[in-house]
Amino acid sequence: RKEVEQDPGPFNVPEGATVAFNCTYSNSASQSFFWYRQDCRKEPKLLMSVYSSGNEDGRFTAQLNRASQYISLLIRDSKLSDSATYLCVVNQAGTALIFGKGTTLSVSS
Amino acid sequence: DTAVSQTPKYLVTQMGNDKSIKCEQNLGHDTMYWYKQDSKKFLKIMFSYNNKELIINETVPNRFSPKSPDKAHLNLHINSLELGDSAVYFCASTQPGEVPEAFFGQGTRLTVV
Repeated sequence: RKEVEQDPGPFNVPEGATVAFNCTYSNSASQSFFWYRQDCRKEPKLLMSVYSSGNEDGRFTAQLNRASQYISLLIRDSKLSDSATYLCVVNQAGTALIFGKGTTLSVSS
Repeated sequence: DTAVSQTPKYLVTQMGNDKSIKCEQNLGHDTMYWYKQDSKKFLKIMFSYNNKELIINETVPNRFSPKSPDKAHLNLHINSLELGDSAVYFCASTQPGEVPEAFFGQGTRLTVV
């Protein structure tokens, strides 16, 4: 079983749509959780951290369910500029960040 | 100022050659990493150094040898390059803490021909 699993997509949505990505992780000792964004031929960049209570940053909402070892990202009112690959990332103390394979989002006009 | 910088950005070389990729971070972070992103876009950890000491060494052929002369630098040397080594190699750094955000270099696109 892979450490971090994501649906690779692609998710093709029109502008203004709401889209949700899911992610599961296998190691219950994982302590920190993130969503990173990677544009084509660019490096990954932190989109947002994910907290147990859930957190929101503008149009983006992240949720964590530790019992189910499940992380989600909701994007509301999709923009063309949201087109990218979204990487689910987990971390345990003293280890490197473990990346999922990413979910590709394509937003069209 | 670039926080994490890698050189070169592109590297095309023949099978059997030896090459190095350099990485420097000016963030004052203690921990640096090398990740490999293959053609399927999967980002896989290769090595991690904390304050010049190797702390993570995933299952990587011993043709790959990281070197950290100081905590701001982590270089990657690859001997006897093979076709399967073609990938994008990313350097990253983090400061350990409750929320260890990783900052990545722009990547080195290695093509072995």
